[in-house]
Amino acid sequence: NAGVTQTPKFQVLKTGQSMTLQCAQDMNHNSMYWYRQDPGMGLRLIYYSASEGTTDKGEVPNGYNVSRLNKREFSLRLESAAPSQTSVYFCASSERNSYNEQFFGPGTRLTVL
Amino acid sequence: DAKTTQPNSMESNEEEPVHLPCNHSTISGTDYIHWYRQLPSQGPEYVIHGLTSNVNNRMASLAIAEDRKSSTLILHRATLRDAAVYYCILRDAGWGGSQGNLIFGKGTKLSVKP
Repeated sequence: NAGVTQTPKFQVLKTGQSMTLQCAQDMNHNSMYWYRQDPGMGLRLIYYSASEGTTDKGEVPNGYNVSRLNKREFSLRLESAAPSQTSVYFCASSERNSYNEQFFGPGTRLTVL
Repeated sequence: DAKTTQPNSMESNEEEPVHLPCNHSTISGTDYIHWYRQLPSQGPEYVIHGLTSNVNNRMASLAIAEDRKSSTLILHRATLRDAAVYYCILRDAGWGGSQGNLIFGKGTKLSVKP
């Protein structure tokens, strides 16, 4: 099992460009999450999808959109990138039980110039 | 959301036990205590979680105070690979709305000296 995979690993954008970060999991989890992590900070939740067909805003959703394409895939889109979106983005998945052990991908390091 | 307080950093010597403290004085009766860690340049990984009783697994032990207002993650023999940021997180047991989501603080950066 690959677990949670993310593409791309690195990306540099110019202000105003758009891009989509891809995430896929092969653990048959119902829930998926997108976080961002800025230097010296903990992770902040951008959006989450409790189950296929649903998405909800997290702590910092402004400037982002998401799509839960199917049970395996959850993408994050930046429509018009801004320098403030320079960050490391992590995708995670979990089962919605008492454990809620979240499994994280390796991250995408995004720089917006 | 209930909050946790952790020291910014701690140091340990290799092969010695490490006790990482976490204060959560406003914990509610339905909050689970979760610990995750993040190795350099990696995503976080689950370590352990508990509700009221102490818990052990292959990675660590979790000691929970009787009043549940504090907890301690115990690494029995630190290795160089345990150098990471450790996050103590309270998670509501429910699943309505945003319940059940994890809220990460800044964590404790653990350094392990050979």
